[in-house]
Amino acid sequence: GAVVSQHPSWVICKSGTSVKIECRSLDFQATTMFWYRQFPKQSLMLMATSNEGSKATYEQGVEKDKFLINHASLTLSTLTVTSAHPEDSSFYICSAHQQGYEKLFFGSGTQLSVL
Amino acid sequence: DAKTTQPPSMDCAEGRAANLPCNHSTISGNEYVYWYRQIHSQGPQYIIHGLKNNETNEMASLIITEDRKSSTLILPHATLRDTAVYYCIVRVLIQGAQKLVFGQGTRLTINP
Repeated sequence: GAVVSQHPSWVICKSGTSVKIECRSLDFQATTMFWYRQFPKQSLMLMATSNEGSKATYEQGVEKDKFLINHASLTLSTLTVTSAHPEDSSFYICSAHQQGYEKLFFGSGTQLSVL
Repeated sequence: DAKTTQPPSMDCAEGRAANLPCNHSTISGNEYVYWYRQIHSQGPQYIIHGLKNNETNEMASLIITEDRKSSTLILPHATLRDTAVYYCIVRVLIQGAQKLVFGQGTRLTINP
């Protein structure tokens, strides 16, 4: 079945630095990818929709200058957490939509810890 | 906002069928019901989805009521590895884009 690869699996960074997370669709083209974040013991919260070749659409309350999303190709979307702070520490998950199919495929997630 | 409500937790004995209910009373006629599960610190895993008819695959069965206002996910022979948080999701059309908005899910614990 379709596979979505997310990298890195975990990252630790210092406060004030930027972190980039990659999401790749390995065997299909994804015109749309989604980014979620999840705090401990909570559900996934949709952050933004990433559209290939156009600007991402952010959910209400998500700062677009803080969470930069780039979807430059049909198989790759990146999320950059800029000037990370401890409150940005979270589990970030991407998902990809394969056109013509009804289901979304999810990556394995990235655990970000900001010191 | 999520369009589904689920019990926060359930227990089931190993080897028994696990039946997970979900209410989606505001579902529209062309909206699908999806089920995913998440094991700790992993990405959600697709289980099954349906529109009107009951569905079955190698993982589970999905029973959707005739009025489509609720559904039940059935794991026929639960194992310890089925312990996870199960999410029932209605695909939402927001600003022209189809999105999966997660609710709080049901934490299913399979007991030996």
